[in-house]
Amino acid sequence: GESVGLHLPTLSVQEGDNSIINCAYSNSASDYFIWYKQESGKGPQFIIDIRSNMDKRQGQRVTVLLNKTVKHLSLQIAATQPGDSAVYFCAEKREGTSYGKLTFGQGTILTVHP
Amino acid sequence: SAVISQKPSRDICQRGTSLTIQCQVDSQVTMMFWYRQQPGQSLTLIATANQGSEATYESGFVIDKFPISRPNLTFSTLTVSNMSPEDSSIYLCSGWGAPGTDTQYFGPGTRLTVL
Repeated sequence: GESVGLHLPTLSVQEGDNSIINCAYSNSASDYFIWYKQESGKGPQFIIDIRSNMDKRQGQRVTVLLNKTVKHLSLQIAATQPGDSAVYFCAEKREGTSYGKLTFGQGTILTVHP
Repeated sequence: SAVISQKPSRDICQRGTSLTIQCQVDSQVTMMFWYRQQPGQSLTLIATANQGSEATYESGFVIDKFPISRPNLTFSTLTVSNMSPEDSSIYLCSGWGAPGTDTQYFGPGTRLTVL
């Protein structure tokens, strides 16, 4: 479905801190989840994904946690850097739909202060 | 991976006119999609661009307003027809199913302003 609201949640952190960005997804039948990073004036950039048969996946400086019981997804960024400042979106794929057809969450603005 | 480019990157158009946005992928992708992102908001899927056949539209979007073409596996166009100020938005093309990856990649977007 379409996200609503003109004001995205914001998270401000100091450089070097760990960041946690949260997302509540909408459909218990979703089986695939992705985190995207969108910098100003650019398209979304893939960060990390996770399938519903997993509850944790790690990448370089990032970790995604999935709690299917409460339909919650989180993105943890270790040692946050100013270059991590962006809007972060979670996206879900509904079971039975193609891998390319995604429903996006509201988004969170991450600001990293030097 | 797949690199996706869009043209134009931005445009300012008059009410009642139409604009066609082009999307080019540097490798063959199984599926291509068009999204809209209104100012300060998230992405909403407009339609799936099907090669050689009519696009599949999401609820709230119709072919007469957003005609889409996809003549081959690397190219698609989206036309925003009979524009109004409410169509001011960023339009994003994406591709999924490039060789060796199951990640969906996005183009940089086309920023449209309708006066």
